[in-house]
Parts: sequence; C-alpha cells; structure tokens
Amino acid sequence: QSALTQPPSASGSPGQSVTISCTGTYSDVGGWNYVSWYQQHPGKAPKLIIYEVIKRPSGVPDRFSGSKSGNTASLTVSGLQAEDEADYYCISYASSNAVFGGGTKLTVL
Amino acid sequence: QVQLVQSGAEVKKPGASVKVSCKASGYTFTGYYIHWVRQAPGQGLEWLGRINPDSGGTNDVQKFQGRVSMTRDTSITTAYMELTGLRSDDTAVYYCARGGPLPYYYKNPDYWGQGALVTVSS
Repeated sequence: QSALTQPPSASGSPGQSVTISCTGTYSDVGGWNYVSWYQQHPGKAPKLIIYEVIKRPSGVPDRFSGSKSGNTASLTVSGLQAEDEADYYCISYASSNAVFGGGTKLTVL
Repeated sequence: QVQLVQSGAEVKKPGASVKVSCKASGYTFTGYYIHWVRQAPGQGLEWLGRINPDSGGTNDVQKFQGRVSMTRDTSITTAYMELTGLRSDDTAVYYCARGGPLPYYYKNPDYWGQGALVTVSS
C-alpha cells in the first residue's frame, strides 16, 4: 500500500486560510469516507482534528474543516493562528489496513 | 478520561527484539481496536497494524514479513507490540492509539499514547 500524497509544506499569514490536500486512489481515499487528519507539534503525539472526512471532535475549533472530492481529501484551516504551526497528517482506511500521508509542515508567516 | 500510557525508551542492538506496552484506561479495553504507528526521526507517521483486544485478531502490513507481533492481556488492559530482528532503520518512536469501537475496524485512531522511543544501535 503506497503512502497517500500530501504537499511537504504549506504556509499562510495570520488570519488567512490554507488548504492541505491528501491524494490517494479509489482503494483508499476515494473508496471510503474514513479519512482522518492529525495535528502534530514537535515532540508531541498526534492529535485528532478531523475524522470521517468532515467531522470534528469536540474541543477542536471550527476553524478546522475537512472535505473530499474523488480520490483527494482536503483539510482547510481558516483564520490561521500562530499555534496552528505544526505538521499535519492524513490517514485513510485501505483494504483491511490503513495508510498515512507523508505529512505537511504548515508554517504561519 | 481515555488514557494510553506506554512503556519507556529502549536501546537495543541490531538483531534483538523489543516489546512495547500500552496500558489503557478510561474506557472498555475490549470494546475498541488498538492501532500501532511508528515515526522515525524527522520522518512521517507509518501505520504498523491493529489488534482486536477482544479476540486477539490482528491486521498488519506485509512490509514487516512477520517481524511484528501484536498481543494483549485483557486482565490488565494492556496491549503489546513486539518487533523482532531489529535493524537500524527500526529506530523510531512507537505509538499506540485507540481505534474504532468493535466491529468498526475501518475507523481511524482517536486517542494516542505518549510514544516510546526505540533506538537500535550497535
């Protein structure tokens, strides 16, 4: 199972919006609505911010939103804040297993 | 509250084995899958597999060719991941994470342990 494709980096200024993509195939992202997104700060464990493509766990700000079109899922961070600077990873269910994206480093300029 | 507390850092020699533990609390241990994920230094997350704590059944990636073994002890609500034939590229932080409620094996993890650093060095 190949890793999902994410851009290595993304950036935006405070208050702006940024979208991170996660591209797979019909066997993973395209075939199932079981895509999640995690935020990871340096030295910390990943934190769930989006699950089942569009759902947000309680306590996660509504500035974080998810979507999917075909084989590509996306995470949008609106109203960027300094604390949003982190690594972001997508994961999808894939034929009895699961597969992560390579990760995207989000920089708040 | 859901908590997953992992064992401490380990240093192993090439060819040795390591067993990482993951103590769960705050929910019904046998009611949710446990996933194992690793992260090499400066690299991304890599999914290793999942275990059904109720039945003990597992799914893992073919890449490890039987080197990964996931088990559990329901009496102490603890999951284990053992990796044998260690190589230098197995150096990583190993995480356990709670998956979906049984039987929803396709749901992704929500709560994560703090991670356990395994260093493989001669």
